[in-house]
Amino acid sequence: ETGVTQSPTHLIKTRGQQVTLRCSSQSGHNTVSWYQQALGQGPQFIFQYYREEENGRGNFPPRFSGLQFPNYSSELNVNALELDDSALYLCASSLEYRGGVHTFGSGTRLTVV
Amino acid sequence: GESVGLHLPTLSVQEGDNSIINCAYSNSASDYFIWYKQESGKGPQFIIDIRSNMDKRQGQRVTVLLNKTVKHLSLQIAATQPGDSAVYFCAETPNDMRFGAGTRLTVKP
Repeated sequence: ETGVTQSPTHLIKTRGQQVTLRCSSQSGHNTVSWYQQALGQGPQFIFQYYREEENGRGNFPPRFSGLQFPNYSSELNVNALELDDSALYLCASSLEYRGGVHTFGSGTRLTVV
Repeated sequence: GESVGLHLPTLSVQEGDNSIINCAYSNSASDYFIWYKQESGKGPQFIIDIRSNMDKRQGQRVTVLLNKTVKHLSLQIAATQPGDSAVYFCAETPNDMRFGAGTRLTVKP
């Protein structure tokens, strides 16, 4: 059984650019959630995808968008990057869309300069 | 490795002692709660969960207590070991999962 894998592990982007982060779900999981974790804080919910549709969204602007593919892998896209977008981005997969134990990847560290 | 929780509340315990980590949750509609452990450079890792129809659940060396009246959750770790050093988060969910701020546990040998 494979866990959740995220790529890349680290990324440096310039303010105003766009970025795409990728996530492969744990085998058998059909729901993917994305979180932003700033230093010294808990993960903040960005959105969740279930059956390729957005199933819930946290307090993030529309420039944060995502996709889920038929194999349940997922992408997080962020447009018009801002300095405050610098954070650890975590992907988590789960068996059910309503709560449920999340299996997390190790995250992508995004630095915006 | 990655450093998380630089300015979090900190609990420091001696190896072998019991640890208690507390968490206040906000949503009275939350019916499922999870404790996660996050080590440096890694994503959060599941420790134990509890549903709102229970007030206590035990795992291996860990116990979670839920007090719905005051919306409080605690994680007890028995015989704390150096490998338990990490940042601990509680998470609540009626639908999507919301995390608390976290507590850094440091175990002194």
